[in-house]
Amino acid sequence: EVQLVESGGGLVQPGGSLRLSCAASGFIFSDHYMDWVRQAPGKGLEWVGRTRNKANSYTTEYAASVKGRFTISRDDSENSLYLQMNSLKSEDTAVYFCTRPLRPTGQTLGLSDWGQGTLVTVSS
Amino acid sequence: IQLTQSPSFLSASVGDRVTITCRASQGISSYLAWYQQKPGKAPKLLISAASTLQNGVPPRFSGSGSGTEFTLTISSLLPEDFASYYCQQFNSYPFTFGGGTKVEIK
Repeated sequence: EVQLVESGGGLVQPGGSLRLSCAASGFIFSDHYMDWVRQAPGKGLEWVGRTRNKANSYTTEYAASVKGRFTISRDDSENSLYLQMNSLKSEDTAVYFCTRPLRPTGQTLGLSDWGQGTLVTVSS
Repeated sequence: IQLTQSPSFLSASVGDRVTITCRASQGISSYLAWYQQKPGKAPKLLISAASTLQNGVPPRFSGSGSGTEFTLTISSLLPEDFASYYCQQFNSYPFTFGGGTKVEIK
């Protein structure tokens, strides 16, 4: 059974930093691209970004709203995905979900597995 | 690529046929997925590649479309279908979502 468990959320002041983690199990993590998606309270879903696998040089993609402030990384030896968030703003307040694409690599057709999410609150 | 979902809110009764539309600002082939989300839960993938029903998803759900216009249809609403629904495109980065459709009980 695929499991994705996020951690690291909490309250942070504007301008601060936070690192989220996602522990993955139940599949060959190193084969998979992995994405982060967020949802502000009472709002819709927003795709945050992606990390590809080693075979694709761990390259990354980001939404314009977080590019230059957020960094996605992974540790295949620990089956873990990370989201380093810097220069946080109030509009980054959201539940952050770790997600696994339906296909490990190549053309994405959907995000088939989601963690339960971790809440990040940016406020003074 | 912008995705425009309509309606944003829908009030319907058990047994109704419901159709939700997702329009893309440019052609995205069939690279579109649909999700269902219930309050306090993570989204669930219902349909991938515009029309492929995921394992375990009831056949009352169906998806169609290609290019710029897509639909999610629930043929006969059950109580457990009252939720929010989102489309997402995977044609090009960033992988944008539609604004969502909340389906509530009439």
